[in-house]
Amino acid sequence: TQLLEQSPQFLSIQEGENLTVYCNSSSVFSSLQWYRQEPGEGPVLLVTVVTGGEVKKLKRLTFQFGDARKDSSLHITAAQPGDTGLYLCAGEETSGSRLTFGEGTQLTVNP
Amino acid sequence: EAGVVQSPRYKIIEKKQPVAFWCNPISGHNTLYWYLQNLGQGPELLIRYENEEAVDDSQLPKDRFSAERLKGVDSTLKIQPAELGDSAVYLCASSISSGTYEQYFGPGTRLTVT
Repeated sequence: TQLLEQSPQFLSIQEGENLTVYCNSSSVFSSLQWYRQEPGEGPVLLVTVVTGGEVKKLKRLTFQFGDARKDSSLHITAAQPGDTGLYLCAGEETSGSRLTFGEGTQLTVNP
Repeated sequence: EAGVVQSPRYKIIEKKQPVAFWCNPISGHNTLYWYLQNLGQGPELLIRYENEEAVDDSQLPKDRFSAERLKGVDSTLKIQPAELGDSAVYLCASSISSGTYEQYFGPGTRLTVT
């Protein structure tokens, strides 16, 4: 199983601040997905990146897949309290169709 | 369109007792997944089904866990007997097929073993 490490594990910021969450591995992934999970709910897919170097934007969220397809980052501009949640990266292993999840980053945006 | 349905949402049992979780995937989704999620952690795959066939169960503790997906639609995950360390959220997800397809997750079943 290929491992994914996320950092930071916890992040508490004020409304309006910017932040970046990192997802790193020593292994290459076929694709990488970012999910957001709220308490009592299952994760919800935000984006899938497939090509090395790919950048995708979703409103105030910018996702980047590393050139070597081993790492990814999620940048949020002007965070809002509604962005609060557990952000999970998940890589599709090259050896099959299994998704390996990182441990998550718990983001709290204070009003 | 209805999402992935799981029941029960919460379950409290004593150790050594059996427990079962049920999942109804999104209609038309051939692939079904069962994940285990510990508090503050990411989901860990237990088993993946393609229709009624379990194609990836290498991380399922087969001494006490079992799963089935009869007719390739609904699925049941069973633990017998439950141990204290089994306390976690059990998530079911489905996708149209395997690969780079979005997985849709249910709300999960929170299991507490006392």
